[in-house]
Amino acid sequence: EPEVTQTPSHQVTQMGQEVILRCVPISNHLYFYWYRQILGQKVEFLVSFYNNEISEKSEIFDDQFSVERPDGSNFTLKIRSTKLEDSAMYFCASRGDSLEQYFGPGTRLTVT
Amino acid sequence: KNEVEQSPQNLTAQEGEFITINCSYSVGISALHWLQQHPGGGIVSLFMLSSGKKKHGRLIATINIQEKHSSLHITASHPRDSAVYICAVGIGAQKLVFGQGTRLTINP
Repeated sequence: EPEVTQTPSHQVTQMGQEVILRCVPISNHLYFYWYRQILGQKVEFLVSFYNNEISEKSEIFDDQFSVERPDGSNFTLKIRSTKLEDSAMYFCASRGDSLEQYFGPGTRLTVT
Repeated sequence: KNEVEQSPQNLTAQEGEFITINCSYSVGISALHWLQQHPGGGIVSLFMLSSGKKKHGRLIATINIQEKHSSLHITASHPRDSAVYICAVGIGAQKLVFGQGTRLTINP
């Protein structure tokens, strides 16, 4: 069964460093999402992406964040200068024509 | 005010019990999703519904659009059902708004 994959599973970085989180959505899906979950809190929407552009973004998704689909398969989230409060689990999701979203296993980002 | 409210926040039950988790929302939605999150953190979609009722094995999900309310039921609960169950609503076609989750523990 097709699935969304994410790499790395765990990333540790120092404050101020740039990180890139990678996702491979399901191959025939056209809508892509990033969500994050700070430890002990609910999952929050970050950004949606369709047709090579951002469809919607939350107020969390400030200028430090960017997304890209550099080729036909990968979907990346970049954080330019990480802060302690960026520590969270980051989930990628994708969907096709149905509204059902399929989630990746997540990347745990730890900023020290 | 949270757009999605779940109750209870925590639920502990004995194996075999019938479980109900409730979700209320305050916004117009395109669909409602029930998700399961295990201790490792991964999220699995259980149901997506926009009306009526769906059943998958021992799990049943219902939604009342007029009342803006949904329930997730688990029949004959088992320790392997222990997880966090999350209600999320689709806003338009672009994003999900999540509830805070219900932590379910089923004791043998």
